[in-house]
Amino acid sequence: ETGVTQSPTHLIKTRGQQVTLRCSSQSGHNTVSWYQQALGQGPQFIFQYYREEENGRGNFPPRFSGLQFPNYSSELNVNALELDDSALYLCASSLANSYEQYFGPGTRLTVT
Amino acid sequence: RKEVEQDPGPFNVPEGATVAFNCTYSNSASQSFFWYRQDCRKEPKLLMSVYSSGNEDGRFTAQLNRASQYISLLIRDSKLSDSATYLCVVPFTPTDSWGKLQFGAGTQVVVTP
Repeated sequence: ETGVTQSPTHLIKTRGQQVTLRCSSQSGHNTVSWYQQALGQGPQFIFQYYREEENGRGNFPPRFSGLQFPNYSSELNVNALELDDSALYLCASSLANSYEQYFGPGTRLTVT
Repeated sequence: RKEVEQDPGPFNVPEGATVAFNCTYSNSASQSFFWYRQDCRKEPKLLMSVYSSGNEDGRFTAQLNRASQYISLLIRDSKLSDSATYLCVVPFTPTDSWGKLQFGAGTQVVVTP
């Protein structure tokens, strides 16, 4: 196990609602990245947080937002949920300046 | 054209055989490449890093062809436990050292008894 935890494991929401997903990084890791993985696709980079600030963002609209806390844990917030937001959301932690990322088990979000 | 492209497979491989598959990337300036393994409904896990011409780790060999912009992964003496989806990964920007990664859609490998 990587030591990266995510909650909840599964979530069902209705279109238009808002959702918050949580991630606890591996001990000592100060960088957290979030990815969206649709069925049959590879993970897509959403954004990364380092020292509580956004440090790069992929091609996702502003309704995807995040936070990182002083203990390096992180949240992903998605507003105005759309059906296409249904996916596995993965959190990965790493040390700064390291390519080696450790993924959590993911949160499976279903939007109906 | 996608930044990172892979043959989705599946590659059906008899146990003990060798299988190889490629990944093409679009940015010729990319310097680092990775193979991740993802089991069904699980998180991706780093399998190998490729920084120069290639890398070998036991039964797994990764090779980089910069001229043709592809990375290959070869698995020798396939085991049943090698059945998984193999994800080709390239950093978001060529000089990115902060681990913002672009994933291919993955190549599925099924090892059969």
